[in-house]
Amino acid sequence: NAGVTQTPKFQVLKTGQSMTLQCAQDMNHNSMYWYRQDPGMGLRLIYYSASEGTTDKGEVPNGYNVSRLNKREFSLRLESAAPSQTSVYFCASSEAGTSGIETQYFGPGTRLLVL
Amino acid sequence: SQQGEEDPQALSIQEGENATMNCSYKTSINNLQWYRQNSGRGLVHLILIRSNEREKHSGRLRVTLDTSKKSSSLLITASRAADTASYFCATDANDYKLSFGAGTTVTVRA
Repeated sequence: NAGVTQTPKFQVLKTGQSMTLQCAQDMNHNSMYWYRQDPGMGLRLIYYSASEGTTDKGEVPNGYNVSRLNKREFSLRLESAAPSQTSVYFCASSEAGTSGIETQYFGPGTRLLVL
Repeated sequence: SQQGEEDPQALSIQEGENATMNCSYKTSINNLQWYRQNSGRGLVHLILIRSNEREKHSGRLRVTLDTSKKSSSLLITASRAADTASYFCATDANDYKLSFGAGTTVTVRA
């Protein structure tokens, strides 16, 4: 049981390059999330998928796209990377219970540097 | 914008002392959760308290929730060096996502 896995762990991009961050979970969770974490800012939600087949914008969606490929996988794409997207990216998954979101399980993160 | 705000931003204590941090939020919530993040790692869930609960315990952790004041506190008793980490509160405001605060950085000195 691997939990939430993310690839790659580290990436360096040049401005304008594109890349896809991959995330997979093996806990059969319905909901998946992408966050970015910048120093002193806590986590900010980029996109989320409440269930397979749906995606919604979070707090900071500009410059990103997502795909909920199936129940297990949720990818984040940067079409044209900018230095402002230098950050640590976390994927998470959870169940949505009858009284709100349950525990979120986080991946180890992807450290992205855009030059 | 972030729903929760932790206070203080940073806390330094001696091993064996208690650590208390607070979280304030703005709108009504379904539940409030606390997470820990060790340096360079992902977040780990510590405890979830629902809006109809006032206090919850888990090992050396004690969480309180005051919905009238829109605030929560996390108490870590008898702290250890391994408790050195950043702690985040996260609120579920019935919109299918969590909102995280900026965190409290706790340093436990040996």
